[in-house]
Formats: sequence, C-alpha cells, structure tokens
Amino acid sequence: DGGITQSPKYLFRKEGQNVTLSCEQNLNHDAMYWYRQDPGQGLRLIYYSQIVNDFQKGDIAEGYSVSREKKESFPLTVTSAQKNPTAFYLCASSMSAGGRYEQYFGPGTRLTVT
Amino acid sequence: GESVGLHLPTLSVQEGDNSIINCAYSNSASDYFIWYKQESGKGPQFIIDIRSNMDKRQGQRVTVLLNKTVKHLSLQIAATQPGDSAVYFCAENSDGSQGNLIFGKGTKLSVKP
Repeated sequence: DGGITQSPKYLFRKEGQNVTLSCEQNLNHDAMYWYRQDPGQGLRLIYYSQIVNDFQKGDIAEGYSVSREKKESFPLTVTSAQKNPTAFYLCASSMSAGGRYEQYFGPGTRLTVT
Repeated sequence: GESVGLHLPTLSVQEGDNSIINCAYSNSASDYFIWYKQESGKGPQFIIDIRSNMDKRQGQRVTVLLNKTVKHLSLQIAATQPGDSAVYFCAENSDGSQGNLIFGKGTKLSVKP
C-alpha cells in the first residue's frame, strides 16, 4: 500500500520543548515538503527537499529544522524558538520538485503546545 | 506579491445539483494548476490538475476549466453528493517564486441532503 505516513496523528508538548514530527513515503519520490496549516488558512511552506542530503527553507522556516538523510524520510523538528507552534502539520511528496507535479499529502499531525 | 485566491469562501448546494468553485490567480507565468479536496482533520487529496496548454480537463464527475485571459480557474462538480462536503483548494505553480506550489485558502463546500 503505497503512500505517505505521518506519525503521530496527535501530539502534545509543553512550551520550551523541541518535538520531531515523522514523515515517511514509499512512493520513490525525490521531493518532499512540510507545510503548516492554521484554521481557515491555506498551506504555508516550511521546508522542502529536492534530493537526499539537501533541503531549502520555505516561506516560514524560522523555528523549524529538517533533515533528509534517506529518500524515504523527511522529519521536521519544531524547536522552542517557534513562537506559535500549535498547528496542523502536513507532509507531502512529489516525483520531482519545481511544482509541475502533483504533490501527495500525508494524513497530517496536529501539534498542540501548552 | 503573486498569490492564489478564491472568490467565495463558502458554498452551500443541494444534493444532486452541480457545484462550481472558483479560483483567481495573478501570475501569468503559472503553467500548472491543481485542485485538492480536504476533509476535516485529514490531508488534502488530489482531485484533478491542468496544464496551461489546455483550457478544459474532465475527470469522474469533475471538470476543471482554465481561462488564461482572465487568469481564472474553476472546478465543476456534477451531481454533488454529501460525500463531496469538504474544503477545496486550488494551487498554482509560479515560476516567479521558488517554483513550488502556492495554495489558496480554500472554499468550504456544504451539501444539503
């Protein structure tokens, strides 16, 4: 069953703690993305990766970090420097970067920081 | 800056009627457009896409129309069903940016039985 998985579905953390969100894909896609979605808002790009061991900042990268050590995996760390981390986080992948291919989305992780 | 937007934030239709969801884009360099459906608490699902060398594309019960003259994109859903209730996003590829997809805020479609 091919696709993108994100875990966990719900995540709760105390303010000041770093937290890592998992994203795995078995679609053999080169490009992977992290988006943040707030209520009533569109998707905002946090980081993206076009190839293993390479990634670029998106529109709202401050307070986040990523790694791309394997083609299948693109974990996102929400650091304590992120001022408003409570949100719905979506991971996506596409055959290639550049926005000319469909992006496949995972089910999302809802992060609540108190 | 260039952005993707929607004419209507909410749309309510009767079951069985046709739905039309609109989207305006401002970057004439955009050459790829996608419609996504997002149900509450879930990730977006691909519905249909269209490239700028086309003005119409049809799928199962859905049709996307692209009017490059007025930079307008629409999604038509035929015989709307309760299961179609969701938020619908359009997205464009803008060569003027990093080249990634830019998403609109979405239109919420509610289907009345």
